[in-house]
Amino acid sequence: KNQVEQSPQSLIILEGKNCTLQCNYTVSPFSNLRWYKQDTGRGPVSLTIMTFSENTKSNGRYTATLDADTKQSSLHITASQLSDSASYICVVSEKYGNKLVFGAGTILRVKS
Amino acid sequence: DAGITQSPRYKITETGRQVTLMCHQTWSHSYMFWYRQDLGHGLRLIYYSAAADITDKGEVPDGYVVSRSKTENFPLTLESATRSQTSVYFCASRGRNSGNTIYFGEGSWLTVV
Repeated sequence: KNQVEQSPQSLIILEGKNCTLQCNYTVSPFSNLRWYKQDTGRGPVSLTIMTFSENTKSNGRYTATLDADTKQSSLHITASQLSDSASYICVVSEKYGNKLVFGAGTILRVKS
Repeated sequence: DAGITQSPRYKITETGRQVTLMCHQTWSHSYMFWYRQDLGHGLRLIYYSAAADITDKGEVPDGYVVSRSKTENFPLTLESATRSQTSVYFCASRGRNSGNTIYFGEGSWLTVV
């Protein structure tokens, strides 16, 4: 069964610090991998999307990496801000068909 | 740019009642989706639609009905609500040429008592 596992489940960091969220997946073959940010009480919003041939993609202070060989991705947040407090969801798209496999998310809390 | 909107945002209903959650998008996206999000689970696909009058089951379709008579609307109906259907429901859409980006609505919080 295709799965997406995220770690840690939750994380608390101080404002200004960096952090890295992990995503391991078994989806194969896959088309692309996305990271979404979901603020409390809101819908998920796309941060990055990477195809299997891409290793890294940045969106401001967010940098996603992908290792298709080990089936791992990470999301690095630089100089965290209070507004980064949210759930971060890793989503892997199967190559054939429209199915997306969602991770359960990592809840990040940035405190001052 | 209205985007994708859901209604109602919050709903409390009784077991056995029929409930319809509405979803409307202004982009003329071909694909529309309904997901439910529960604590400890990732988003799970209930139903999706590739175009008007074309719908298909997702991962957890039991107890739900959808229709897509118009491209912009994709209502989700719980025919006889059960407590296990208490959840947050997200509608989403994707265009054929939107680079695989899926846009989510703000969610509908449903409580079945």
